[in-house]
Amino acid sequence: DIVMTQSPDSLAVSLGDRATINCKSSQTVLLRSNDKNYLAWYQQRPGQPPKLLIYWASTRESGVPDRFSGSGSGTDFTLTISSLESEDAAVYYCQQYYNTPPTFGQGTKVEIK
Amino acid sequence: QVRLVESGGGVVQPGRSLRLSCTASGFTFNNYAMHWVRQAPGKGLQWVAVIPYDGSIKYYADSVNGRFIVSRDNSKNTVYLQMNSLRADDTAVYYCAKDRGYSASWDNYFDSWGQGTLVTVSS
Repeated sequence: DIVMTQSPDSLAVSLGDRATINCKSSQTVLLRSNDKNYLAWYQQRPGQPPKLLIYWASTRESGVPDRFSGSGSGTDFTLTISSLESEDAAVYYCQQYYNTPPTFGQGTKVEIK
Repeated sequence: QVRLVESGGGVVQPGRSLRLSCTASGFTFNNYAMHWVRQAPGKGLQWVAVIPYDGSIKYYADSVNGRFIVSRDNSKNTVYLQMNSLRADDTAVYYCAKDRGYSASWDNYFDSWGQGTLVTVSS
């Protein structure tokens, strides 16, 4: 199985500041034949199910604010929240879908400072 | 809009069985693979199983393979998870989730999730 490791486990960010979450996979999730990274990001607010934010490492899901962006390739990826809002307090997960089973990172908790 | 509603959770003794259901609406159910994903209390997400649009092939996490069975009834827009030989470490909220991919090519990422149903395995 591909192991996904996120860092940090938690971070506290002031409103309006940038939040950066890293995700590393134990093997590449880049498929050379189509040049796509099989990597998604989800947001889970307290008491809620996860919500898809980003797929193909950098494609924003419809309706997701543009302050959320994804980057990276191969084994190293980043989710950036450019200007944190109060509603962004949540746990964020990366997930690879390059192989079955799909696997998730352990989650990164974003709190408001 | 897409709606997924899970049911069937509860408290069950170790070694017993439970069947979860997930009823879908707001999309053409028989065109999409469906997944089960679980989350132990205070923990992260773990994929459990997938069933493609036609139910032809099923894949399971190693931790549930041989104990859990995923199935679907496209006439009822419902996917099921039969859980047998339950163990304490199966305690979790179980979510059903819709795959993004269409028809025969499922993508293994999840664009809609239900609210989840809690399964507690305890004597």
